Amino acid sequence: ETGVTQSPTHLIKTRGQQVTLRCSSQSGHNTVSWYQQALGQGPQFIFQYYREEENGRGNFPPRFSGLQFPNYSSELNVNALELDDSALYLCASSASTANTEAFFGQGTRLTVV
Amino acid sequence: GDSVTQMEGPVTLSEEAFLTINCTYTATGYPSLFWYVQYPGEGLQLLLKATKADDKGSNKGFEATYRKETTSFHLEKGSVQVSDSAVYFCALMIWGGSYIPTFGRGTSLIVHP
Repeated sequence: ETGVTQSPTHLIKTRGQQVTLRCSSQSGHNTVSWYQQALGQGPQFIFQYYREEENGRGNFPPRFSGLQFPNYSSELNVNALELDDSALYLCASSASTANTEAFFGQGTRLTVV
Repeated sequence: GDSVTQMEGPVTLSEEAFLTINCTYTATGYPSLFWYVQYPGEGLQLLLKATKADDKGSNKGFEATYRKETTSFHLEKGSVQVSDSAVYFCALMIWGGSYIPTFGRGTSLIVHP
């Protein structure tokens, strides 16, 4: 069984640009959640996708958007990047929305300059 | 809203010392409680969990007991190793259409030989 994989591992973007981060969920998992982890902080929930539909959203502006594909992989898109968007972005998958055990990827380190 | 408060780090210990990392929570319902560990350069891994009052979660020598009366879930280990050096996150989840974790800020543990 493969784990959660994220790509790329590191990324540098310029303020105002757009970025797409990718996540492949663990085999058999239909629920994917995205988190932003600023340096020295705990992960903050961005949104969750369940069977290709958004199933909950944290306190993030609309320029943070996502997609989930039929194979349950997912993308996080961020438009109009700001310096404060620099963070580690984590993806986690779980077997269902009712399952509390989430498996995390290693994250994508985004730096906005 | 729901929140998790962890003791500030770093916690610095010698190998074989006793570890306690304090965690308290505020929640409107009856949460499930978790400890996650994040090793350098990696995503989060579930360490242990407890789903109801007085439950004890345990894994790899770590333990935590769900104390409803004190709204606490302190992490303990009797004898730490250098390999335990990592950041530890306390989290809670409450069902609200799905399980979305609320994380604490994390506590860094440094174990010296």
